[in-house]
Amino acid sequence: AQSVTQLGSHVSVSEGALVLLRCNYSSSVPPYLFWYVQYPNQGLQLLLKYTSAATLVKGINGFEAEFKKSETSFHLTKPSAHMSDAAEYFCAVSEDSNYQLIWGAGTKLIIKP
Amino acid sequence: DSGVTQTPKHLITATGQRVTLRCSPRSGDLSVYWYQQSLDQGLQFLIQYYNGEERAKGNILERFSAQQFPDLHSELNLSSLELGDSALYFCASSGGTPYNEQFFGPGTRLTVL
Repeated sequence: AQSVTQLGSHVSVSEGALVLLRCNYSSSVPPYLFWYVQYPNQGLQLLLKYTSAATLVKGINGFEAEFKKSETSFHLTKPSAHMSDAAEYFCAVSEDSNYQLIWGAGTKLIIKP
Repeated sequence: DSGVTQTPKHLITATGQRVTLRCSPRSGDLSVYWYQQSLDQGLQFLIQYYNGEERAKGNILERFSAQQFPDLHSELNLSSLELGDSALYFCASSGGTPYNEQFFGPGTRLTVL
């Protein structure tokens, strides 16, 4: 069965520092991978998705993620954190044979001034 | 604005009661998903409909039911409500394939007293 693991329920970085949010998945076939962001009191919004084209995917707000099949990872990065990046981030995976998105537990990103 | 609308925004009710949450998908999207988000359980997939038919079922309780109507809007019915049902309920819509991203509505916050 598919599963998604997000390492760290909370990640704290200083403003201007590198953001790295980790996501590992288990899938028996090439997956589709997604990162979503949820700002306080809002619904989830797509940041970026991987659908078997380029392994480095660029998303909105300066975020990007790299698909590494050998490591079954899809980590999210941003070179320089802004205060406005404080939110909860969710990684999700789906397969051709499965119409559900399997969600990670989420990582709360805290930005220190 | 994702294009997905949900009503009502807030709902306060008592234990044992029944409520109906409504969702209108983005124009052209055939697939509707329902999620429950609570502090202790995170984001839980409940059920998916595609063009009026149930396509996938997640962790949906027997006290909960959903349907998708010919105009593609969907309703989630929650009955015999318990305190533990207090949560944010999100609706999302998509084109219905595994590589289509899901677009989330703003959610309905249900409080059961």
